[in-house]
Amino acid sequence: SYELTQPPSVSVSPGQTASITCSGSKLGDRFACWYQQKPGQSPVLVIYQDTKRPSGIPERFSGSNSGNTATLTISGTQAMDEADYYCQAWDSSTAYVFGTGTKVTVL
Amino acid sequence: EVKLVESGGGLVQPGGSLRLSCAASGFSFSSYWMHWVRQVPGKGLVWVSRITSDGSNTRYADSVKGRFTISRDNAKNTLDLQMNSLRDEDTAVFYCARGGSGGYYFDNWGQGTLVTVSS
Repeated sequence: SYELTQPPSVSVSPGQTASITCSGSKLGDRFACWYQQKPGQSPVLVIYQDTKRPSGIPERFSGSNSGNTATLTISGTQAMDEADYYCQAWDSSTAYVFGTGTKVTVL
Repeated sequence: EVKLVESGGGLVQPGGSLRLSCAASGFSFSSYWMHWVRQVPGKGLVWVSRITSDGSNTRYADSVKGRFTISRDNAKNTLDLQMNSLRDEDTAVFYCARGGSGGYYFDNWGQGTLVTVSS
């Protein structure tokens, strides 16, 4: 089955850049997306089709995907960005696969 | 505004059944694939099932295949998940999610409903 691996945690200072990676076999050959989930809330789509931002998502969120790694970058990180982040991709055999999740802490 | 509201969660004994529903509004429900995704409290997201826009095709995660059935009523704008032979490991928050246009992602989520399987 297809698997996506993320670092368990990332720490960032306010105003700095946070990068969250998502690793999977030939991930760059398929579309990746990213969700933000704050405590007690439902997930929110922040990046889809590797680089696209849904309406209402701040420009400081950006994405890339190449080789075996997709990356979510948060530029000028704010305290409100503290949350769990999940990558997700589609695989023909496993269907919809989520990454293991990364807790972003803004110190 | 897209709105997805789940209902039907609760406490059920192992081996029991439960039916979840999701009421959709604010968009053309019959035009979108719909999904169920679950999350054990404190753990990650896991996709459960999806149904195509006209209800003609369904797909399930291996962990629920043969036990869960997804269905929809496009006239009533509702999505259902019939869960049978429930196990302890099915305990989770179940989210209804709308499939994104032209891609394999979820662009809107409900608030979730908690299913607890315990004796």
